Amino acid sequence: EVQLVESGGGLVQPGGSLRLSCAASGFTISNYWMYWVRQAPEKGLVWVSRINSAATITDYADSVKGRFTISRDNAKNMLSLQMNSLRAEDTAVYYCAMYRGPRGFDPWGQGILVTVSS
Amino acid sequence: DIQVTQSPSSLSASVGDRVTITCRASQSISTLLNWYQQKPGTPPKILIYESSTLQSGVPSRFGGSGAGTDFTLTISSLQPEDFATYFCQQSYSNPLTFGPGTKVEIK
Repeated sequence: EVQLVESGGGLVQPGGSLRLSCAASGFTISNYWMYWVRQAPEKGLVWVSRINSAATITDYADSVKGRFTISRDNAKNMLSLQMNSLRAEDTAVYYCAMYRGPRGFDPWGQGILVTVSS
Repeated sequence: DIQVTQSPSSLSASVGDRVTITCRASQSISTLLNWYQQKPGTPPKILIYESSTLQSGVPSRFGGSGAGTDFTLTISSLQPEDFATYFCQQSYSNPLTFGPGTKVEIK
């Protein structure tokens, strides 16, 4: 079965850190851009970060630049997001997703909730 | 950044109804527009890519059209499993952006 499975979310205090992981199975992510997309409660989808297949290009939304770091390990078929200096406004469900260019995002992980609160 | 808007933000419809959702981009994006369906507690699922190509496995009652700045998602005969939120997303330029969503509810 083709799937992405996120882990590492949870409750963290403002200023704290979390590391999200996304494990792929049933297919290889090595040839594709990978993204983290988040969705605040009852809100829309927002791109957070992206990384190219060779991990030589990374990019971040302005709202997380300097605080989040995306990485990947193609040998392990995994994607990660290190989140530091977390803020209340980072509270959201975080999805990892494979980007197929004009064919859009597919598959998506099931989503992992990150709650930043004291 | 390319802004993507959707209308309506929500709608109520009955099973069997024809439903149309519109997506508008702030500049021309050719046909690089995708549609997703999201049900509560689940990730988005791609329905249509490149404006009008149906993703494998998606029922044929879903259809997409448009080019440039204006796009449409049509559900020809709404089924109970279609009650969900629908998002459009442009793949023309980075940063990739999503529309705010259209919630389709039961009348």
